[in-house]
Amino acid sequence: QQQVKQSPQSLIVQKGGISIINCAYENTAFDYFPWYQQFPGKGPALLIAIRPDVSEKKEGRFTISFNKSAKQFSLHIMDSQPGDSATYFCAASRGGKLIFGQGTELSVKP
Amino acid sequence: EPEVTQTPSHQVTQMGQEVILRCVPISNHLYFYWYRQILGQKVEFLVSFYNNEISEKSEIFDDQFSVERPDGSNFTLKIRSTKLEDSAMYFCASSEMGGQGDSPLHFGNGTRLTVT
Repeated sequence: QQQVKQSPQSLIVQKGGISIINCAYENTAFDYFPWYQQFPGKGPALLIAIRPDVSEKKEGRFTISFNKSAKQFSLHIMDSQPGDSATYFCAASRGGKLIFGQGTELSVKP
Repeated sequence: EPEVTQTPSHQVTQMGQEVILRCVPISNHLYFYWYRQILGQKVEFLVSFYNNEISEKSEIFDDQFSVERPDGSNFTLKIRSTKLEDSAMYFCASSEMGGQGDSPLHFGNGTRLTVT
């Protein structure tokens, strides 16, 4: 029940395209759903986060869509750029402890 | 922007040896965490620490692990007798209010621990 399942494991997108990463969770007690971006040799950095009382949150080119009934949420990166190439982790939390998904390695081709 | 700093960036140790990984959380943060990431795998929670005591720990955090806040700025993770399977990247994180609301976890850049 503590698992967060993330897909796909890797993703290749052309510059200017839309990158979509999906996550699913089981524990309905989770109340905070962040996405982290990680570059090689660096720690995860918070990208965007959402709470289950809203269905969508947008910050610049990054959008989280949240489906509470399906227990799923996704990250959309619009107009993907080569600089977006990184590993993306979804996570779920209640009380500060983060449960991470397996990660998606995104590669944006010029 | 304030950041979480970790030292050393890379630690090589022999199996059975003790290691101490060090972290300096962001100065006004009250909640501290250790996570680890085995190469190519997901980031896993180890332990959370608040008010000078462990608030939660995972199954990975067995008797070989301990954490300490020896002074007002450092937060350390000790592994008493390292095993080969302890080889991983260890991330320290901190937050102002325990990850609630607008108080996300801020991660350091990690310490790569290699046990030979």
